Amino acid sequence: QVQLQESGPGLVKPSETLSLTCSVSGGSISSYYWNWIRQPPGKGLEWIGYMYNSGSIKYNPSLKSRVTISVDTSKNQFSLKLTSVTAADTAVYYCARAVTIFGEADYWGQGTLVTVSS
Amino acid sequence: DIQMTQSPSSLSASVGDRVTITCRASQSISRYLNWYHQKPGKAPQLLIYAASSLQSGVPSRFSGSGSGTDFTLTISSLQPEDFATYYCQQSYSIPQTFGQGTKVEIK
Repeated sequence: QVQLQESGPGLVKPSETLSLTCSVSGGSISSYYWNWIRQPPGKGLEWIGYMYNSGSIKYNPSLKSRVTISVDTSKNQFSLKLTSVTAADTAVYYCARAVTIFGEADYWGQGTLVTVSS
Repeated sequence: DIQMTQSPSSLSASVGDRVTITCRASQSISRYLNWYHQKPGKAPQLLIYAASSLQSGVPSRFSGSGSGTDFTLTISSLQPEDFATYYCQQSYSIPQTFGQGTKVEIK
């Protein structure tokens, strides 16, 4: 059974960098599409980006100048960094696995709330 | 970006009702359309992928149809555990985008 678990600070100050890690168990991170998706409180879902083939990455252009997704295959983890955060970046951040180019996310982490506040 | 518009934004229904949710894309997305539902405080759960393929383990009362710009999710007989918010997602082009959600509430 594949499991994903997000970890990282729950509180980040404005203008600082948000850093999260997704630990994957029950399957190799070397295959599939590994996504970051976020959801502001009470709002809908926003796709941040994904990594596939252990290094090819696509980002949402609206965030591209601030976001980096990276992978550590030795730890079976992938990470998200979002720089220069503002209150608008406050959200529940999910990592999720998609099986094919159809983007069907079949396994999700539980989500982690990141609040941007001083 | 491709805009995904769901209708209705919310609906009230009773257990046993047939429920239909539509999702319209601002341009053709072929069959690159997935459906999820999400319960409060939980991650979304995949129901349908590639417009009409039922995800493993999902009850057969869920079905999807459509291609191009117009898509439909149907629940043939609403069950208590189906009260949730439903989202469509297009993966035809980057950025992937989601509909705004349809909240299915108890009547």
